[in-house]
Amino acid sequence: NAGVTQTPKFRILKIGQSMTLQCAQDMNHNYMYWYRQDPGMGLKLIYYSVGAGITDKGEVPNGYNVSRSTTEDFPLRLELAAPSQTSVYFCASGGSLAGGFGPQYFGPGTRLLVL
Amino acid sequence: GQQVMQIPQYQHVQEGEDFTTYCNSSTTLSNIQWYKQRPGGHPVFLIQLVKSGEVKKQKRLTFQFGEAKKNSSLHITATQTTDVGTYFCAVVLMDSSYKLIFGSGTRLLVRP
Repeated sequence: NAGVTQTPKFRILKIGQSMTLQCAQDMNHNYMYWYRQDPGMGLKLIYYSVGAGITDKGEVPNGYNVSRSTTEDFPLRLELAAPSQTSVYFCASGGSLAGGFGPQYFGPGTRLLVL
Repeated sequence: GQQVMQIPQYQHVQEGEDFTTYCNSSTTLSNIQWYKQRPGGHPVFLIQLVKSGEVKKQKRLTFQFGEAKKNSSLHITATQTTDVGTYFCAVVLMDSSYKLIFGSGTRLLVRP
């Protein structure tokens, strides 16, 4: 299993440009998440999904959009890039265990720089 | 909103010393998870605690969940340089959502 894969690894955007961060998992997990991590800081939840066709906002959704057309893929869309969106973006997926949540498995991250 | 406080923000220890990080919530938690992130890496799952008062051990790591399910701790005995990284707690809200909210993390530095 490849686990959770993310592309690209690194990207530089100009202000106002748009892009899609790709995320895919091959573990058949229902739950998928997007987080951003600013330098030296913790992880902030952007959006999450509990299954194909179902998405919901996290703590910091403004400026982002997501879709979940399949169980495997959960792309994150930035429509009008702003310098405040410079960050490392992590995608994660997880299943459920008896008693609730199971572990979350993280991808390697996408480093985004907006200039 | 949900408040998850993690202390200390960072700790610098001599190799062989013990280390503890604490995670405190303003509300009762469904469960709590702990993750480790090495510098430049991604978070890696360590453990999940579900039951009130639960204690779990992984070699030199001891995890505790408070009786009221509002706090948790991670204790490392006799730190090694391989323990360097940031330790995060992550909590599941008891509001029927599936949000997993991360604490701010504790960065551990170990002097050899």
